[in-house]
Amino acid sequence: GAVVSQHPSRVICKSGTSVKIECRSLDFQATTMFWYRQFPKQSLMLMATSNEGSKATYEQGVEKDKFLINHASLTLSTLTVTSAHPEDSSFYICSAPHQNTEAFFGQGTRLTVV
Amino acid sequence: QKEVEQDPGPLSVPEGAIVSLNCTYSNSAFQYFMWYRQYSRKGPELLMYTYSSGNKEDGRFTAQVDKSSKYISLFIRDSQPSDSATYLCAMSAYYGYALNFGKGTSLLVTP
Repeated sequence: GAVVSQHPSRVICKSGTSVKIECRSLDFQATTMFWYRQFPKQSLMLMATSNEGSKATYEQGVEKDKFLINHASLTLSTLTVTSAHPEDSSFYICSAPHQNTEAFFGQGTRLTVV
Repeated sequence: QKEVEQDPGPLSVPEGAIVSLNCTYSNSAFQYFMWYRQYSRKGPELLMYTYSSGNKEDGRFTAQVDKSSKYISLFIRDSQPSDSATYLCAMSAYYGYALNFGKGTSLLVTP
């Protein structure tokens, strides 16, 4: 099946620094990718939709200046958490739809801000 | 009311049992329904995908969609300890749109 690769799988950063997370579609092109956030024992919540060649669209309550999304090519989207704070600690997951709306997910990134 | 409701469990069954997992939803526009399996601290893995109403079978897994009742199910036959994970239902109204997830049901299959 289609593969979506997400990197890094785990990152620890200091409060106030920025962290970049990469999401790549390995064997297909993705004009759209989605970024979700999952808190412990909670469901995946959509943060934003990443669109190749245009601005990302953000869900209500998600700060676009804090969570910068870049979809520079048909196989790569990046999420940068700027000026991270402990409350940003979470599990971030990207996905890309592929054929008949099947959505394949990356491995996820566990961000811990200390 | 959340768009997708799913009992978080936990659900504990003995090895070999038939497992029934369910979700209800409120948005009648949903037409694409999926079940994902998620192990701790990993990304979700697609198990089953169904378009509109009906049944779909793949090995030990059967997915059912009843759009008239806004109810979907996943059955696991001959459950194995390796099936222990969190199962997430997800759905969307249109092709390529972001998914709406249930909270996930935690399943434990004991030897």
